[in-house]
Amino acid sequence: GQQVMQIPQYQHVQEGEDFTTYCNSSTTLSNIQWYKQRPGGHPVFLIQLVKSGEVKKQKRLTFQFGEAKKNSSLHITATQTTDVGTYFCAGRSSNTGKLIFGQGTTLQVKP
Amino acid sequence: DTAVSQTPKYLVTQMGNDKSIKCEQNLGHDTMYWYKQDSKKFLKIMFSYNNKELIINETVPNRFSPKSPDKAHLNLHINSLELGDSAVYFCASRPGTENGYTFGSGTRLTVV
Repeated sequence: GQQVMQIPQYQHVQEGEDFTTYCNSSTTLSNIQWYKQRPGGHPVFLIQLVKSGEVKKQKRLTFQFGEAKKNSSLHITATQTTDVGTYFCAGRSSNTGKLIFGQGTTLQVKP
Repeated sequence: DTAVSQTPKYLVTQMGNDKSIKCEQNLGHDTMYWYKQDSKKFLKIMFSYNNKELIINETVPNRFSPKSPDKAHLNLHINSLELGDSAVYFCASRPGTENGYTFGSGTRLTVV
């Protein structure tokens, strides 16, 4: 079945350093979504990417969708302690329409 | 005003008991979901309802039975609770087929 792999599983950075998490799907995606879950909280929708090669920015966050629509990345520039949490990608299969979540990348930021 | 609200927030119960979790959304969304998040934070879909109709039923034991009395509510009843059912259960909703999900704050279920 469809799999969505996300790496790394954990990342510890010093405040001010950059951070990137990668998402790879075994099948072509119609779109990909990104969510952030703070410790003890619930997933919060950040963005959706639809077009091949699409790049979107939200302040210090940059989201990319691969040309083949099978991978995506989230890059955070100059991390802050407020960026702490688990970032999930969720890919929607072009074939089945199902939304499958990646395992998440948990970001820790040292002040 | 809470968009997707779940009750209870915490639930501690003994093995073998039957329990229910309630979910309500005031966003007017068409589709509602139940997700299970295990201790490793993996989010797995359990059920999906669209306008009270069941559209996704993943490989979930029959002990789990969703019920949607109307478009704004999706409840989850669990029979004969087992230790492995301990997890955080999230309700979510979305307006259409190509939109982000709005999650509830979760119900932390602990089976002892």
